[in-house]
Order: sequence, then C-alpha cells, then structure tokens
Amino acid sequence: GAVVSQHPSRVICKSGTSVKIECRSLDFQATTMFWYRQFPKQSLMLMATSNEGSKATYEQGVEKDKFLINHASLTLSTLTVTSAHPEDSSFYICSARRGARGNQPQHFGDGTRLSIL
Amino acid sequence: ELKVEQNPLFLSMQEGKNYTIYCNYSTTSDRLYWYRQDPGKSLESLFVLLSNGAVKQEGRLMASLDTKARLSTLHITAAVHDLSATYFCAVDMLRSGAGSYQLTFGKGTKLSVIP
Repeated sequence: GAVVSQHPSRVICKSGTSVKIECRSLDFQATTMFWYRQFPKQSLMLMATSNEGSKATYEQGVEKDKFLINHASLTLSTLTVTSAHPEDSSFYICSARRGARGNQPQHFGDGTRLSIL
Repeated sequence: ELKVEQNPLFLSMQEGKNYTIYCNYSTTSDRLYWYRQDPGKSLESLFVLLSNGAVKQEGRLMASLDTKARLSTLHITAAVHDLSATYFCAVDMLRSGAGSYQLTFGKGTKLSVIP
C-alpha cells in the first residue's frame, strides 16, 4: 500500500519549453504533497508544500512563477516548470502524506530526471 | 531553524567491517527517518524512530534514537557490497509557517563498501 506514482521518469527538452510533472497517490488520499529538487551529489531540497484545494506554500528562494504547483484533487499534484532553462535541469521528487499531522509518513515517488538542452 | 547534520558525508569501508553513521539535529522533533538512495533512484524508507531509546533493526542495519542528545545512529554490521548507497536521515517536525509537518534532511552519507 501507499504507492506514489510520478510521471514522467525522464524528460529531455529544449530550452524555453514548459514541462509538467505529475504525482499521483494510487491507493490513498494525499492531503499534503511535497515537491523536492535534488542536484547531483546533494541532499533533497524542499521546493513547496501543497494541500488539496489551496495554494502551494513555496520555500524561500523558489520562484512561484517558475515552478507552478497545482493540487487539484486528493490524489494528484502537478509541478510545471515554465520556460525551462539548463539551470533547471535536476532530479525532481514528489512525496505524499495522508493528513497534515506528523504521524503519517511521507511516501516518495520515483523521481523525474529533467534535462534541459 | 532546524538543522540536521550527518557525519561522515563519505564512508568507504571494507566488506565485513562495522561502522556507524551519525545524525544530529538541533531542535526537539516528533520523529526521525532513515532513507536509502541508490544512484539515479528515489528514496527508500528504512526506519522511522518515534521515541527516546527506540531501536530498530533490519538485516545488517540498526537505527537508534536518543532524543535527549538529539542524536540518531545508523549502525552497519558486517558490511556487504549491496549496502553501497547514500543514506539520509530526516527529521519530521511541524513548520509553523506552513501549518504542516515537513521533513528536513541531512546532507547524506555516501557509503561505498569495497570487496
């Protein structure tokens, strides 16, 4: 149980393209979803937290207009990287949690490798 | 601001040896997680530690938590090559501004087990 599906697993596209990444909780309702970014040989950096039906809370330094997050339902959140540039190339990982309380673990997707040429 | 410090960041060890990875954190936390990450992959959950004195073991890995010292350890017993990976600890706590619990990760320990 508690499976999180992230799609696509890999994207290669030209600079200036907008890219959408989907994160779905397959067998539970995810009140809260998280988006992380990981550069090579570094730790995970939280980009934003999203709760179903409300605007995402972005971490300091993360451009809201650049990284659009939508959490339209209890099983789906999307991250859109708008007008992507080579510096946006990274490994993006989503996670989902039942409820906002800490007594539920986060379940991680398999990640999306984004490469901007 | 919560800080999570792991050490060592890099660990090269021979098969059959024992070693410990340390995870210190700066403020009181509700729970602590250990994850494994293989190259190019996402995170795999290993352990969740909920209370002071908690100890959990799975195979050659054992994790413990000392909430008074704000310290968790991941002990590797008789290492094998298959344990080569990056290990992260993460502290779960309520972020007042966000109104929800969030994980703060350590920098990770890259473990290489040499035959």
